[in-house]
Amino acid sequence: DTEVTQTPKHLVMGMTNKKSLKCEQHMGHRAMYWYKQKAKKPPELMFVYSYEKLSINESVPSRFSPECPNSSLLNLHLHALQPEDSALYLCASSQEMGNYGYTFGSGTRLTVV
Amino acid sequence: EDQVTQSPEALRLQEGESSSLNCSYTVSGLRGLFWYRQDPGKGPEFLFTLYSAGEEKEKERLKATLTKKESFLHITAPKPEDSATYLCAVQSLPGGTSYGKLTFGQGTILTVHP
Repeated sequence: DTEVTQTPKHLVMGMTNKKSLKCEQHMGHRAMYWYKQKAKKPPELMFVYSYEKLSINESVPSRFSPECPNSSLLNLHLHALQPEDSALYLCASSQEMGNYGYTFGSGTRLTVV
Repeated sequence: EDQVTQSPEALRLQEGESSSLNCSYTVSGLRGLFWYRQDPGKGPEFLFTLYSAGEEKEKERLKATLTKKESFLHITAPKPEDSATYLCAVQSLPGGTSYGKLTFGQGTILTVHP
């Protein structure tokens, strides 16, 4: 299995809703990442987990809350989002943090209304 | 902090018209330079990793090269299905402020007309 699987593919949520994005990989990778990508822009790093511990938080607002329950799963909990948070949210994994290339998932297209 | 600049921002080619995309980078210590292809609404798809100046890698119509300051993605006799955004990214060695991160350029939007 050489894939990173993200669910859901599309999500529409209101500003008062609570939702979660999920990411799963079975490649034995020990680093997992959340990126945010706006239209016609490159991916921007949000969080990095290494060996299930949060290693990098790029000063992301607290309405985004990451969680790594085990080495294969990564969640992003969303609460009280703003319309400007609408974007493509990408999950990625790599063998080790800062080492080797990343494998990206197909992303979750999030729309906040 | 690592910086990556890609040019041109957009490139329109006729089918069969070869060309090159440029990626200039500034990094304290290069662990690797990566090329990705991204289709609209999809995640980036890995193409190549280059680790040291002088290295070259090929895959079908694509060839990536690396110098100490820049990388080129050469596209030979492109087809319409090569149309996509091509992203360049760098990864730093441990000790730098960007360690653990993949720093992306803005991308080049390639359109190949039949």
